[in-house]
Amino acid sequence: DTGVSQNPRHKITKRGQNVTFRCDPISEHNRLYWYRQTLGQGPEFLTYFQNEAQLEKSRLLSDRFSAERPKGSFSTLEIQRTEQGDSAMYLCASSARDRPREQYFGPGTRLTVT
Amino acid sequence: AQTVTQSQPEMSVQEAETVTLSCTYDTSESDYYLFWYKQPPSRQMILVIRQEAYKQQNATENRFSVNFQKAAKSFSLKISDSQLGDAAMYFCAYRREGGNKLVFGAGTILRVKS
Repeated sequence: DTGVSQNPRHKITKRGQNVTFRCDPISEHNRLYWYRQTLGQGPEFLTYFQNEAQLEKSRLLSDRFSAERPKGSFSTLEIQRTEQGDSAMYLCASSARDRPREQYFGPGTRLTVT
Repeated sequence: AQTVTQSQPEMSVQEAETVTLSCTYDTSESDYYLFWYKQPPSRQMILVIRQEAYKQQNATENRFSVNFQKAAKSFSLKISDSQLGDAAMYFCAYRREGGNKLVFGAGTILRVKS
C-alpha cells in the first residue's frame, strides 16, 4: 500500500520564477487537499478537490497560485512569480470516498525562494 | 471562523511516563470532528487519534487517549508509557461536519528523555 507521494521533495528557486509541484494521492482516494505549512506553525488549508473538481479554495490561494487535478488522479500546484513569502512546506493529503474524515498526508515539498 | 489553540509550545516527558498535551478550540458548530496528528522530524504527518463530537465516550488508541470536554471546548491528548519514538510535533486539528478542510493549531513539540 503506497502512501501519498509528492515531488520534488525540495525546491530552491529565485524570486520571480515559476514552480510546479506534483502530488500523487493514495489510489482510490477521490478527495485531495493542499496545505501550506510555515516554520513552527500548523498547516493551513489551500484548496480541495473531489475527483477532478476544485470545490473549495482558501483566500490564501492568491491569483499567483493555481491547482489542477485533470483526471481525478494526481494533482499539481503551480506558483507563478514566486516571492520570498512563498517559502514554506507544501503538503498534500488525500482521503477516501467512504472515509472522508481521515486525511492521509504526503511528505511535503519544501520550497525555498531566494 | 473556527480556531484551534495549543498553549504549550513545548513539552518534555521521561521515557515510560505519561504526558498530556492541551488543545482548545472555538466553534459555533455542534457537529464536528477533532484530531491529533503527529509529525516526526523530517517525516510526514500521521493521524494519531480521532474524536467525533457527538460521541460522549473518549477515543482511545493503544497508548493514546483523549479527554474530550465538549462544553469547555477542550480536547487533550494523553500519551501513556512514553517511548522515544513518540518524540515529534503534535498538532490538534478540527473539521466541521460536512466540511473539507482541517483547521490546525500551532503545534506542541514533545521531547522524550531517556
